[in-house]
Amino acid sequence: AQTVTQSQPEMSVQEAETVTLSCTYDTSENNYYLFWYKQPPSRQMILVIRQEAYKQQNATENRFSVNFQKAAKSFSLKISDSQLGDTAMYFCAFMNLFSGNTGKLIFGQGTTLQVKP
Amino acid sequence: GAGVSQSPSNKVTEKGKDVELRCDPISGHTALYWYRQSLGQGLEFLIYFQGNSAPDKSGLPSDRFSAERTGGSVSTLTIQRTQQEDSAVYLCASSLVTVYEQYFGPGTRLTVT
Repeated sequence: AQTVTQSQPEMSVQEAETVTLSCTYDTSENNYYLFWYKQPPSRQMILVIRQEAYKQQNATENRFSVNFQKAAKSFSLKISDSQLGDTAMYFCAFMNLFSGNTGKLIFGQGTTLQVKP
Repeated sequence: GAGVSQSPSNKVTEKGKDVELRCDPISGHTALYWYRQSLGQGLEFLIYFQGNSAPDKSGLPSDRFSAERTGGSVSTLTIQRTQQEDSAVYLCASSLVTVYEQYFGPGTRLTVT
């Protein structure tokens, strides 16, 4: 069974600085997606970034980038130039892609990030 | 376009009552998922629909939980004889096809008193 672990329950960062959120996962599969989702106090889960396991290049979306280390089963999220609106809970999620998979997401426990002015 | 919507936003019910939670996915999305978010269990998968069929119900915690989807669109999650441990936020997500990005609704916060 796949598991996802986020070892940092809470983090804080000063506005305009850079912060990295950690995520590790365990799987015996070779084909999968990894995601970071953001959940602000409004409860709406918002997709931040996606990484396909077969791609060696790390995904980037504006101020958000990942460091994907497949052999180490590590998938960290870097937020550059942090903004107050980045304050939220962040979830790392795993999706298996083997034939017949249902696409269900397996989530980590979440990291609460506070951006301080 | 319109995102995933869920109703009600909040629901308070007495222990033992039945509740129905509704999800309206993004138009054209064939895959629909229900998840539950609780303090003790984190975010956990409940059920997956492809069209109107539910090929994966493995996450439903007991036979008090059921769900259906009609017209390949709206889905209803029903909890019978609610218990206090059912208190949680129930999130619905949809995706264009299976194994693709999922878009979430705002959730229904269920409180069982």
